[in-house]
Amino acid sequence: GAGVSQSPSNKVTEKGKDVELRCDPISGHTALYWYRQRLGQGLEFLIYFQGNSAPDKSGLPSDRFSAERTGESVSTLTIQRTQQEDSAVYLCASSQRPGPYEQYFGPGTRLTVT
Amino acid sequence: GNSVTQMEGPVTLSEEAFLTINCTYTATGYPSLFWYVQYPGEGLQLLLKATKADDKGSNKGFEATYRKETTSFHLEKGSVQVSDSAVYFCALSEASNTGKLIFGQGTTLQVKP
Repeated sequence: GAGVSQSPSNKVTEKGKDVELRCDPISGHTALYWYRQRLGQGLEFLIYFQGNSAPDKSGLPSDRFSAERTGESVSTLTIQRTQQEDSAVYLCASSQRPGPYEQYFGPGTRLTVT
Repeated sequence: GNSVTQMEGPVTLSEEAFLTINCTYTATGYPSLFWYVQYPGEGLQLLLKATKADDKGSNKGFEATYRKETTSFHLEKGSVQVSDSAVYFCALSEASNTGKLIFGQGTTLQVKP
């Protein structure tokens, strides 16, 4: 079946502009995660969604970052007033249910802020 | 806070050599431990996992044992192949029910024929 998809695959934006990144999880997966990978570093957790429960936003680095998810479907990550330090690969993952289970990762969106 | 530390790379080996990639962690409670792998041009995928102390995860000839006494989860393979060239990430899932992962910085493995 289809895996996790993300769009766009690449995004170049000017400093100060807003960007929106999209994630389509695997159908039926209730848990959805966003991570960020800066060049040469490991993945940092950003935010977690589970069904209609309140999201865990503990990893969002600033109030310029926000994310939404409608039910168990698509999620969007929005970065307002982008800064050069926001340049990274943004990865989305989904899992059948929350907990220590396999997460299936999308190909990522490479964001470059000039 | 919880954290994962991996040995720095790159690691360069000849085909059929023995591989060890060290991973240690700091966590409260009883986390689950994972190795994820990213092959060139592909997305991140689960390689193996262990959910409690002394468990051994294994897949594709790779093994890792959850050692609570040394807070380690070292990845090993007896005989590497060129096709094992990839970036390997050690990760933990906190002892909560969210499943969010904390990753190490990744170790690049290059296997030469």
